[in-house]
Amino acid sequence: ETGVTQSPTHLIKTRGQQVTLRCSSQSGHNTVSWYQQALGQGPQFIFQYYREEENGRGNFPPRFSGLQFPNYSSELNVNALELDDSALYLCASRLGQGERGSYEQYFGPGTRLTVT
Amino acid sequence: GIQVEQSPPDLILQEGANSTLRCNFSDSVNNLQWFHQNPWGQLINLFYIPSGTKQNGRLSATTVATERYSLLYISSSQTTDSGVYFCAVRSNFGNEKLTFGTGTRLTIIP
Repeated sequence: ETGVTQSPTHLIKTRGQQVTLRCSSQSGHNTVSWYQQALGQGPQFIFQYYREEENGRGNFPPRFSGLQFPNYSSELNVNALELDDSALYLCASRLGQGERGSYEQYFGPGTRLTVT
Repeated sequence: GIQVEQSPPDLILQEGANSTLRCNFSDSVNNLQWFHQNPWGQLINLFYIPSGTKQNGRLSATTVATERYSLLYISSSQTTDSGVYFCAVRSNFGNEKLTFGTGTRLTIIP
């Protein structure tokens, strides 16, 4: 149990629709990252948020966007869903930046998205 | 960007056996983590080990940062050890991301 929670657990959407996934970080963690894991592969970095601003992005198109709220929870939004977006979406949190920061990341249980 | 390779890709062992999983990376890192992914997809933190040696029960890990590799040792394997083991690193250069290896799928047979 990492203290990172995600919702929903599973989701089925149709191609072209939009989806919002949610993540609550571990208590005290101010940095949230999102990863996409396709079947049989390792997780791929989508982006990271620190203090409500995006401060790192992987090779994902702009239709992948996010938000971080003052309580450090986060959302991942995906517009114009494609079949290849079917994957496990993982959220990770850490206490970032500054003297008390650590690079160790803690992952939530994931949201399994199926696009039909 | 940084490259991460894990070996072997698959490992099948009898319960009680010992195993060594390897992670090679192509650049200097300030974070290296070992994870166990269970059948439901949860990534379980095993070790945060950018350098040195750590032990936790039947598991131990060693990272030799100067030679750019890390090893995960599992002793006296149990069926609950089955799953995919990932090594993930954060490069000293570049953005905030963790780069994952392709994983080692471990199957423990009773």
